[in-house]
Amino acid sequence: QSALTQPPSASGSPTQSVTISCTGTSSDVGAYNYVSWYQQYPGKAPKLMIYEVSKRPSGVPDRFSGSKSGNTASLTVSGLQAEDEADYYCSSYAGSNNWVFGGGTKLTVL
Amino acid sequence: EVQLVESGGGLVQPGGSLRLSCAASGFTFSPNWMHWVRQAPGKGLVWVAHIISDGSRTNYADSVKGRFTISRDNAKNTLYLQMNSLTAEDTAVYYCVRDRGYSFAWWGQGTLITVSS
Repeated sequence: QSALTQPPSASGSPTQSVTISCTGTSSDVGAYNYVSWYQQYPGKAPKLMIYEVSKRPSGVPDRFSGSKSGNTASLTVSGLQAEDEADYYCSSYAGSNNWVFGGGTKLTVL
Repeated sequence: EVQLVESGGGLVQPGGSLRLSCAASGFTFSPNWMHWVRQAPGKGLVWVAHIISDGSRTNYADSVKGRFTISRDNAKNTLYLQMNSLTAEDTAVYYCVRDRGYSFAWWGQGTLITVSS
């Protein structure tokens, strides 16, 4: 149950796009299309932004998109806005009713 | 509106026990898988435990296996986490989470557990 690997930080200017990576193994990210992404503001509960690699729950702006290639998943935030500044976590199903999270990425809007 | 309200957190001594509860409302509780996820102060999210809809199958992170027990009472729409042999490393905010398609779709506000003498 090793954590997925995310960059500790990412940044971009308003209106730009930024991509956050999430690297796992052939036992989790590479094995299942059950990668999800979460946004968390300080002191608040996380919020689901992307599930099943690329699906957006109702109410999540289409500026947020997800993808996967091999053992690496990615979250792209297009048209950055100040309100996107938050921590982002990826997660993957790892089989046998186990789940694993990434270490988190702090997104800064410059 | 989906609501998950955790309770039972607080200060506990090392080696002690605590039981968390999560009251669910705004949706039909019984068919849903549920999880506990924790977050140590200033740290990332960690999956802790999972339970299927009827409670007959559970699974745990290695770090809590043998010490924590997840359970549910579908008649009371309530999820539980019994935590034994607590150590300082268990200090965290514990979130009750409703599963949707192997994702953590709805989160409670969290309850803080502090293990300290």
